[in-house]
Amino acid sequence: GGIITQTPKFLIGQEGQKLTLKCQQNFNHDTMYWYRQDSGKGLRLIYYSITENDLQKGDLSEGYDASREKKSSFSLTVTSAQKNEMAVFLCASSIYYEQYFGPGTRLTVL
Amino acid sequence: GQQVQQSPASLVLQEGENAELQCNFSTSLNSMQWFYQRPGGSLVSLFYNPSGTKHSGRLTSTTVIKERRSSLHISSSQTTDSGTYLCALDLNSAGNKLTFGIGTRVLVRP
Repeated sequence: GGIITQTPKFLIGQEGQKLTLKCQQNFNHDTMYWYRQDSGKGLRLIYYSITENDLQKGDLSEGYDASREKKSSFSLTVTSAQKNEMAVFLCASSIYYEQYFGPGTRLTVL
Repeated sequence: GQQVQQSPASLVLQEGENAELQCNFSTSLNSMQWFYQRPGGSLVSLFYNPSGTKHSGRLTSTTVIKERRSSLHISSSQTTDSGTYLCALDLNSAGNKLTFGIGTRVLVRP
């Protein structure tokens, strides 16, 4: 078995601020993902990475940067936080097709 | 239109009742998963089931590719089954990108 950890669990930012979210997995999975979950809209893919140093844009990549520093970690940066933004960011990893999710980071922008 | 549609949007059950949740998709697929999410919680993978029928305890997943549908059957529901059930599909994309439905919110009353 394995586990995915996300830090921080809660993130409060100010409008215009650059914010970084981190994800670690010890499954030794090749592919990692960042999703955003908004109430009533389901999950949407922001970025994914099929191996170390690889980055692929998802449907919602504008306003975000990502970094896959090593196989076990995948970071997501909100380049400029939007006022009153509230969402949950979920990290996932997979080998072959089945995806496993972390506990999430809940973002609130004041 | 939406590529992944889930129905019903919400469901209220009396403990002990059975329920069937539907997921319909508009194109062919590489993979599909059913997830469970408790309010404020992360996604727990229930089934990886691109075709056929799978069982896990009181849950059964059936995917019929030619009919472009998958169902999740809950038998003898319990209050702990309350939460949101999400289906997600890899719609023949590169990199195993999942497209999520909006989910079915289930409330089981004691």
